[in-house]
Amino acid sequence: KAGVTQTPRYLIKTRGQQVTLSCSPISGHRSVSWYQQTPGQGLQFLFEYFSETQRNKGNFPGRFSGRQFSNSRSEMNVSTLELGDSALYLCASSLARGAGPGKTQYFGPGTRLLVL
Amino acid sequence: GESVGLHLPTLSVQEGDNSIINCAYSNSASDYFIWYKQESGKGPQFIIDIRSNMDKRQGQRVTVLLNKTVKHLSLQIAATQPGDSAVYFCAEDSGGGADGLTFGKGTHLIIQP
Repeated sequence: KAGVTQTPRYLIKTRGQQVTLSCSPISGHRSVSWYQQTPGQGLQFLFEYFSETQRNKGNFPGRFSGRQFSNSRSEMNVSTLELGDSALYLCASSLARGAGPGKTQYFGPGTRLLVL
Repeated sequence: GESVGLHLPTLSVQEGDNSIINCAYSNSASDYFIWYKQESGKGPQFIIDIRSNMDKRQGQRVTVLLNKTVKHLSLQIAATQPGDSAVYFCAEDSGGGADGLTFGKGTHLIIQP
């Protein structure tokens, strides 16, 4: 079974631009979570989507948004990019919403975003 | 402050030795813990998990120990191999799944030949 795929793998943008990242979950997985990974803050939860609805959201500004499609694929969008948005953005999929036993989150390789 | 943390940013061990990676958590309400391994250029890879009603769980060459009294989690890797070189993260579910996983900052395991 194919793993979680993320596109693009690398991206360079300039301040003020917006960016859209894509995530395709493991076949059959309906929950998609997004995380931001930086050297300073580590891995931080952005939001989770299940059945095309945002279920949970971490402590990030409204510039960070996302959506999920009927085939469970998800996109996240960051508007008005700031230098501090440079990070590795990771997507994780699981069978059911939330975290916990039986709901193991499997991660993709990430999209590395550099904001200049 | 950080909910989940690790005691050492870097751990160096000899190939063939056992490795022990430690993690301290602060939320006593957390009921589920996971260890992930992240190799350079890759996303975190699930290693093993444990529920709060357990003290120990074993996998293939790995064992996770949970001490709820002192809020401490450890990952033991037996007979460490070069392929074990990676950054190891502990993560906790402290919100019943509502807030995603909370990750520690990670320990970089270095294998000496």
